[in-house]
Parts: sequence; C-alpha cells; structure tokens
Amino acid sequence: NAGVMQNPRHLVRRRGQEARLRCSPVKGHSHVYWYRQLPEEGLKFMVYLQKENIIDESGMPKERFSAEFPKEGPSILRIQQVVRGDSAAYFCASSPRQGSTNEKLFFGSGTQLSVL
Amino acid sequence: QKEVEQNSGPLSVPEGAIASLNCTYSDRGSQSFFWYRQYSGKSPELIMSIYSNGDKEDGRFTAQLNKASQYVSLLIRDSQPSDSATYLCAVNRNNDMRFGAGTRLTVKP
Repeated sequence: NAGVMQNPRHLVRRRGQEARLRCSPVKGHSHVYWYRQLPEEGLKFMVYLQKENIIDESGMPKERFSAEFPKEGPSILRIQQVVRGDSAAYFCASSPRQGSTNEKLFFGSGTQLSVL
Repeated sequence: QKEVEQNSGPLSVPEGAIASLNCTYSDRGSQSFFWYRQYSGKSPELIMSIYSNGDKEDGRFTAQLNKASQYVSLLIRDSQPSDSATYLCAVNRNNDMRFGAGTRLTVKP
C-alpha cells in the first residue's frame, strides 16, 4: 500500500526555466493538496484539488504557478520562469473520501526545489 | 489575522517535563483539528486528531479543544529528546486543511 509519492526528490533549475513537480496520491485518494515550506517556516497552503477540479487555489501566486490533477495520472505543480524566491520544499498531501471532514492528510516526502 | 496561529518558539523543556503547545484559529466553522510533528528535513506526520470539545489522550500525548475559544493545545508528558521537532497545528473545514507556522520544541537531556 504505497503512500504519497513525489518526484523528483530534488530539482535544480536555473532562473527562467520551468519546474514540474509530480505527486501521486495514495491509491484511492481523490483529494490532493500542495504546500510550500521555506526553511524554519511552517507549511503554506497553495492549492487544493480534486480529480479534474481545482477547489481552492487562494494560496497560489496568480502568475507563473499552475496546478492540475487529471483524471488519470499524477497531480502536477508547474512553476514557469522560476526565480530564486521559488526555492523551497514543496509538499503534496492526499486524503480520501469526498465530504468527510475528519480525514487526515497523508504527506509525500516533498520536492526540494533549488533555483540557481 | 492568520488563519491558524502558533507561537513559533523555540520552546525548550528538560527531559521528563511536560511540553505545552498552543494554537488558535480564526474560522469558527472549522470542523476538525490535527497535530503534526515534523523533523528537520522530513515530511509532517500525524500524531493526534481531535473533533469535539474536551481532551483526547493517546499515550504521552493529550490534545485539548475549546471551540468557543477557538483554541487547540497539545500536551506532551514525560518529554523525551526524540520529541524534539516542529509541531504543526492544522485546522480543517470542508476538506480544506490549513496549517500554522509550527512551534519548534527542544527537549534537553
């Protein structure tokens, strides 16, 4: 029973390049969350998705950032034209059933993005 | 006002003491509450969940919830050096989970 799988574990990009972060939720989970964490800081909510739908993207910058969770395949967080300030750990989490407010989140190991 | 507020710490306690971690939240409609532990460089792991007012105990951990005061706390009894980590409070409404910035706890041998 695999947990949340994120890849790559570490991603290095130069300024102006694109970063694509992948997240495969726990099998059967239909909710995916992306969080960003800077060193010595807490988790900052970015986006909450269900299959093929963005439910809440209020934590995601309006420009350069996008996220999707297609019917088939992993959730993708895409950052275009990366800047040094995008360097952070990006965590993905998933939870199961729709409509249940008591479900805990299962976290992936995170992707550490470094922008040179 | 932040959605979920925690004292960033660091909170330092001696081994064997009780560590008390506090969290307040702004959304009165919040429905479920969680404490996660995160070791440096690792992903958060769930240690406690609480859904109704009162206390919930699990081993050395006790979570306390007061919805009227919009307050959640975590007590760690008989603190161990291995408890040294950042503790994240999380609040859920309609599957929308928001985290506090975390409190860094250090347990000194």
